[in-house]
Amino acid sequence: NAGVTQTPKFQVLKTGQSMTLQCAQDMNHEYMSWYRQDPGMGLRLIHYSVGAGITDQGEVPNGYNVSRSTTEDFPLRLLSAAPSQTSVYFCASRNAGAYEQYFGPGTRLTVT
Amino acid sequence: GQQLNQSPQSMFIQEGEDVSMNCTSSSIFNTWLWYKQDPGEGPVLLIALYKAGELTSNGRLTAQFGITRKDSFLNISASIPSDVGIYFCAGLKEGSNYKLTFGKGTLLTVNP
Repeated sequence: NAGVTQTPKFQVLKTGQSMTLQCAQDMNHEYMSWYRQDPGMGLRLIHYSVGAGITDQGEVPNGYNVSRSTTEDFPLRLLSAAPSQTSVYFCASRNAGAYEQYFGPGTRLTVT
Repeated sequence: GQQLNQSPQSMFIQEGEDVSMNCTSSSIFNTWLWYKQDPGEGPVLLIALYKAGELTSNGRLTAQFGITRKDSFLNISASIPSDVGIYFCAGLKEGSNYKLTFGKGTLLTVNP
């Protein structure tokens, strides 16, 4: 199993550009989540999904969209990037009813 | 927003020393988790605690679920250089739809 994979690993965007951060898991986990990590802020939940076709907002959802058309994939879309979205983004997955989350390696995004 | 107070924010210790860190909250949590994040990687689960008063070990790591259910502690004995990283606590509240709340992390540096 590859676990949780994320692409790209690094990305630089200009303000106003759009892009999609990809996340995939091969463990057949129902739950998937997106977090952002900023210095001194820990991990903050952006959006999460409890299954294909079901998504919900986390703590900091503004400026981000998600969709979950399959169990395996959970892309995060930035429609119009802003410098405040410069961060490291982590995708995570786990089984429903289980507490252990498996994290991907992260995407480091810089918005200039 | 963040409801877990994790301390200390950072620690600089000598190899061989013991380390203690903790998380506190004004809210009651049903589950406490401790993660470690190596530089450039995603967090990895170290220990999970499911019951008030529970004391669980994983090698040189020992974690405790506070009896008030509002705090948790992580101890590392006889530290080694590879213990370097950021340690996060995370809690799960009843009725939270499995959304984890993360502390801001403790950055541990071990001098050989």
